[in-house]
Amino acid sequence: KAGVTQTPRYLIKTRGQQVTLSCSPISGHRSVSWYQQTPGQGLQFLFEYFSETQRNKGNFPGRFSGRQFSNSRSEMNVSTLELGDSALYLCASSPRTSGGFTDTQYFGPGTRLTVL
Amino acid sequence: GIQVEQSPPDLILQEGANSTLRCNFSDSVNNLQWFHQNPWGQLINLFYIPSGTKQNGRLSATTVATERYSLLYISSSQTTDSGVYFCAVGNTGNQFYFGTGTSLTVIP
Repeated sequence: KAGVTQTPRYLIKTRGQQVTLSCSPISGHRSVSWYQQTPGQGLQFLFEYFSETQRNKGNFPGRFSGRQFSNSRSEMNVSTLELGDSALYLCASSPRTSGGFTDTQYFGPGTRLTVL
Repeated sequence: GIQVEQSPPDLILQEGANSTLRCNFSDSVNNLQWFHQNPWGQLINLFYIPSGTKQNGRLSATTVATERYSLLYISSSQTTDSGVYFCAVGNTGNQFYFGTGTSLTVIP
């Protein structure tokens, strides 16, 4: 099976712009989660989507949003970019059954966003 | 949220040496994974181990859920083992809490 893919891999934006990142999960996986990694804050959970519904949300401002499509692909959007949004954004997919039990998560290669 | 502490923060080993990385967590969990982050940033799965012991080649891991800690053992270390090792835990859905990692450098 192909792994989790993320596009684009690198992105440079300026303050005030918006950006959309894409994640394609492993075939058959229905849960997609997003994480932000920065040198200062480490790895932090953004949100999780399952069957096109947001299931969990981390402590991030409303400028960070996401969605999931019927084929389980997910996008996250950051509006009004700030310098502090420069980070590696990682996407993870897991099978996650409807019973809600946790599963092994598989991470993609990430999108490295630089805000100038 | 769950607090996750990893130790040591940095580790330098001679090739061939053994090491033990520790992960302590502040609450009961039903999901625990160990990852190795490669130089390009990708998190590589090592173990899914919410409890018990597992082994995979030179790596093994043990989680004692009742005492809220997990250990990752690396035996006969190689230069390719260098990188950052993360412990991640969760108890609600697929929301992970990550530790700050152990940066391992293996010198030839």
